[in-house]
Amino acid sequence: GAGVSQSPRYKVAKRGQDVALRCDPISGHVSLFWYQQALGQGPEFLTYFQNEAQLDKSGLPSDRFFAERPEGSVSTLKIQRTQQEDSAVYLCASSLALGLAPVRETQYFGPGTRLLVL
Amino acid sequence: KQEVTQIPAALSVPEGENLVLNCSFTDSAIYNLQWFRQDPGKGLTSLLLIQSSQREQTSGRLNASLDKSSGRSTLYIAASQPGDSATYLCAVCGDNRKLIWGLGTSLAVNP
Repeated sequence: GAGVSQSPRYKVAKRGQDVALRCDPISGHVSLFWYQQALGQGPEFLTYFQNEAQLDKSGLPSDRFFAERPEGSVSTLKIQRTQQEDSAVYLCASSLALGLAPVRETQYFGPGTRLLVL
Repeated sequence: KQEVTQIPAALSVPEGENLVLNCSFTDSAIYNLQWFRQDPGKGLTSLLLIQSSQREQTSGRLNASLDKSSGRSTLYIAASQPGDSATYLCAVCGDNRKLIWGLGTSLAVNP
């Protein structure tokens, strides 16, 4: 079956440009997560959706970052006025969200979008 | 604030060796702990998930243990192979399902 897909896989932007990164989760997965991974670092949580509701956006580094999931499926992470420090791999993950507690919940990751801001 | 530490940062071993990767976390209030593998330029692959009430999980040559009270987990890889070369990441699941990650252990298994 299809896994999590992300597009584009690579994006080069000039400083100040706006970018939009897309995530297609596994069909039927309720939860969707965005993470940012800088070179040589572990991923850092950005934001979390349950269906179309954005339940946690505490990891978004600034108000230039905006995420949406309007129909509870595909999600878009938008970065406005990109800066060089935004260069990173942006990872999307989805999970089934079984029950109320995520004790048994595995997150399935896409291949990521590598963003380079010049 | 939850912090996750992985030791060692890098490891190079000859093929066939058994090896142990370590992960520690500061807040024991977790739902689960997960080990992932990351290959260069690729996404993350989930290897093992240990629920907070469990002590260990096994999959093939991989065994992961969890001691929640002391904030530690180990990933044991038996009879290592060159194809095991990758970065191994440990992550704990806390509030709102978000994963808090270590920096990873970069493993090289030499033929």
